[in-house]
Amino acid sequence: NAGVTQTPKFQVLKTGQSMTLQCAQDMNHNSMYWYRQDPGMGLRLIYYSASEGTTDKGEVPNGYNVSRLNKREFSLRLESAAPSQTSVYFCASSASGGVLNTQYFGPGTRLTVL
Amino acid sequence: GEDVEQSLFLSVREGDSSVINCTYTDSSSTYLYWYKQEPGAGLQLLTYIFSNMDMKQDQRLTVLLNKKDKHLSLRIADTQTGDSAIYFCAEGSNFGNEKLTFGTGTRLTIIP
Repeated sequence: NAGVTQTPKFQVLKTGQSMTLQCAQDMNHNSMYWYRQDPGMGLRLIYYSASEGTTDKGEVPNGYNVSRLNKREFSLRLESAAPSQTSVYFCASSASGGVLNTQYFGPGTRLTVL
Repeated sequence: GEDVEQSLFLSVREGDSSVINCTYTDSSSTYLYWYKQEPGAGLQLLTYIFSNMDMKQDQRLTVLLNKKDKHLSLRIADTQTGDSAIYFCAEGSNFGNEKLTFGTGTRLTIIP
């Protein structure tokens, strides 16, 4: 049982390049999330998917797109990377459907945009 | 919208108690969480408390909730070097709403 996995762990991009961050969970969770973490800003929600086939914008969606490929996988795409997108990106998942919404996090992807 | 605030830094001597504070604005919060992030890792759930509780104790951890003042605290007794981490509080509101709002995180440093 690997929990939530993310690839890659590290990535350096040039301004204008595109890339996709991958996330997968093996806990049969319905909900999945993408956050970015910046110093002094805490975690900010980019997009989330409450169930397979649905996605919704979070607090900071501009410059990103997502795909809920199936129940296990939720990818985050940067179409034209900008230096402001330099951050650590975390994927998370939760079972949903109950009062207690414990989210389980992946190890993160550290992205640098030059 | 919801807002969750924390101090950014806390330093504590090894063996002392650490108290990490958090304030939130959403009065409809139904559950509040504490997550721990160790260096280079993702967040892990440490503990949680339902809004109808005032206190929850779990070994060295004590969570206090003052719902009137919208204030949450995490006390770590006998702080050890392994407790060095960033601690995030988070609030969830509305039954069935899957989103959490996280605070900025408090970096706890242990002084030997």
